[in-house]
Amino acid sequence: GENVEQHPSTLSVQEGDSAVIKCTYSDSASNYFPWYKQELGKGPQLIIDIRSNVGEKKDQRIAVTLNKTAKHFSLHITETQPEDSAVYFCAASRGAGGGNKLTFGTGTQLKVEL
Amino acid sequence: DAGVIQSPRHEVTEMGQEVTLRCKPISGHNSLFWYRQTMMRGLELLIYFNNNVPIDDSGMPEDRFSAKMPNASFSTLKIQPSEPRDSAVYFCASSLGAGNTEAFFGQGTRLTVV
Repeated sequence: GENVEQHPSTLSVQEGDSAVIKCTYSDSASNYFPWYKQELGKGPQLIIDIRSNVGEKKDQRIAVTLNKTAKHFSLHITETQPEDSAVYFCAASRGAGGGNKLTFGTGTQLKVEL
Repeated sequence: DAGVIQSPRHEVTEMGQEVTLRCKPISGHNSLFWYRQTMMRGLELLIYFNNNVPIDDSGMPEDRFSAKMPNASFSTLKIQPSEPRDSAVYFCASSLGAGNTEAFFGQGTRLTVV
């Protein structure tokens, strides 16, 4: 089955700096890579996703890059703000061929300090 | 739409008791997932349904766990008998199910077995 590794487990940055979280996956058939943000006491919420036919996607301060050859993808947050503090999860899926089920990374606790 | 609705939000029960967690997916979504979140193991997929039919239950830890989806708007996850190691946050998520589509998570049920 799919195995997703995520680094770092914790990340502390100063407000305004950039944050980068990296993930690797094992299943070459995976073709959908979402990123979720989880705030305390809440369920994970999708913030951005990328499909295997593109290498990069950007949405305001958030961007994701995908390298299918190397089987890794990364989340980039620029101009971090205190409200970005949360746990971030990467995930991978085979899509319809695998029943849309997601395999999650172990999470990154991001702390944005004033 | 109110999103994915889970009940109860918190459950404290004694070891050996039966526990039933409930989920109402987003109307029109065809796929439903049950996840368990712990510090040690992160987010684990327990079981998922497509069009009310269980597709993959390989993540269900043991026979004490069972899940049903009697109709498109309701699912249950039952643990009988419960054990302290079942203590975790249980999330239900739903998605449209057609190809790579966003999974929407509920707020979760925090289960404590004493």
